[in-house]
Amino acid sequence: EIVMTQSPAILPASPGERVILSCRASQSVGSKLAWYQQKPGQAPRLLIYDASTRATSIPARFSGSGSGADFSLTITSLQSEDFAVYYCQQYNEWYTFGQGTKLDIK
Amino acid sequence: QVQLVQSGTEVKKPGASVRISCKASGYTFSDHTLFWVRQAPGQRLEWMGWIDAGYGDTKVSQKFQGRVTVDKDTSATTVYMDLSSLTSEDTAIYYCARRGYGSGHLYFDSWGQGTLVTVSS
Repeated sequence: EIVMTQSPAILPASPGERVILSCRASQSVGSKLAWYQQKPGQAPRLLIYDASTRATSIPARFSGSGSGADFSLTITSLQSEDFAVYYCQQYNEWYTFGQGTKLDIK
Repeated sequence: QVQLVQSGTEVKKPGASVRISCKASGYTFSDHTLFWVRQAPGQRLEWMGWIDAGYGDTKVSQKFQGRVTVDKDTSATTVYMDLSSLTSEDTAIYYCARRGYGSGHLYFDSWGQGTLVTVSS
């Protein structure tokens, strides 16, 4: 099973800041990586797929990069609604998720 | 718009079974594969099984083989998951999720609202 490891576990930040969330796979997944956002009491929402393609209606301040085993999600100019938990998921070999990064208000 | 609406909260005793439904609307039901994903407290999201809503093919994750059954009612555009032999470790939120269309789109592009299942004696 491909293990996905996200860092950091908790990321304190302030509105307006730029943040970078990391995700590492235990083996190469090519570009078969997605990012999801989850707010309390809600289902995950697809943000990014194929490592760098924004899903429908996702603002341009969200961007994804990377390939192989190392990936990142960058959020520029944080908005209040962006404080949530973010998960990466590989779908190159079945489906596995990272443990999540909680983006907290500083 | 795409909607996946799941059945409501369940409370079960250890050893019992639970059946969760997920009604799809806003798209061609048979075009997509639907997954069941669970989120247990403090645990990662994990996929449990899927069903191809067109052909009816199913697959259950090895971890849940023997305990999970996935099926569908095409006329009702609804998929179901049965989970048997419940233990406290099955206490979780269960989501249905739609996989993207076509072999090149294997991510989950829409999710149901989740169904909380609590297993307690």
